[in-house]
Amino acid sequence: EAGVAQSPRYKIIEKRQSVAFWCNPISGHATLYWYQQILGQGPKLLIQFQNNGVVDDSQLPKDRFSAERLKGVDSTLKIQPAKLEDSAVYLCASSLGGAGMVTEQFFGPGTRLTVL
Amino acid sequence: SQKIEQNSEALNIQEGKTATLTCNYTNYSPAYLQWYRQDPGRGPVFLLLIRENEKEKRKERLKVTFDTTLKQSLFHITASQPADSATYLCALDSPFSGGYNKLIFGAGTRLAVHP
Repeated sequence: EAGVAQSPRYKIIEKRQSVAFWCNPISGHATLYWYQQILGQGPKLLIQFQNNGVVDDSQLPKDRFSAERLKGVDSTLKIQPAKLEDSAVYLCASSLGGAGMVTEQFFGPGTRLTVL
Repeated sequence: SQKIEQNSEALNIQEGKTATLTCNYTNYSPAYLQWYRQDPGRGPVFLLLIRENEKEKRKERLKVTFDTTLKQSLFHITASQPADSATYLCALDSPFSGGYNKLIFGAGTRLAVHP
């Protein structure tokens, strides 16, 4: 079974520039998550999709971050404009879980973003 | 808000010994708790899930306990091997998830197993 795919693996940009990350979840997984992991910290949930609808984006800085999941499959996360504090690893995860289901999450390798 | 505490310092143990990692939480009691392993440059990998009505869960050399009175979970690796060296993350379900399996992660504990 193919895992969660993410690209690019690394990205270096200057502050105020824009950047986009792509995620392809495991086939059949209805739930997709984007996490931000700053060095030395655990993953922090930015946004959670159930199929192509958002179920939680309470910690997404909406003035600069946006995400979409077209057709309930692939997803993109965009930062515009980037700030120095956005330097982190951005992890995408997926799970089978729907409402009321408790399941494990499968993570991709992440995209390491460096903002200069 | 929920606060999760894991040992911030690395745990160094000798090969063959049992490693014990701690996860403490404050405020609400989660309905379940998960443990993940993360290697450098990789995403976390799921290891075990334990529910609030379960005291203990085992999988091969791994054992997890869940004490809702102490608000603590312990994660044990018996007969540890150098290949077990990694960061181990504790994650609790959020009560504000609307039933959609939202997790709050701790910062993780780095385990180093020496030959």
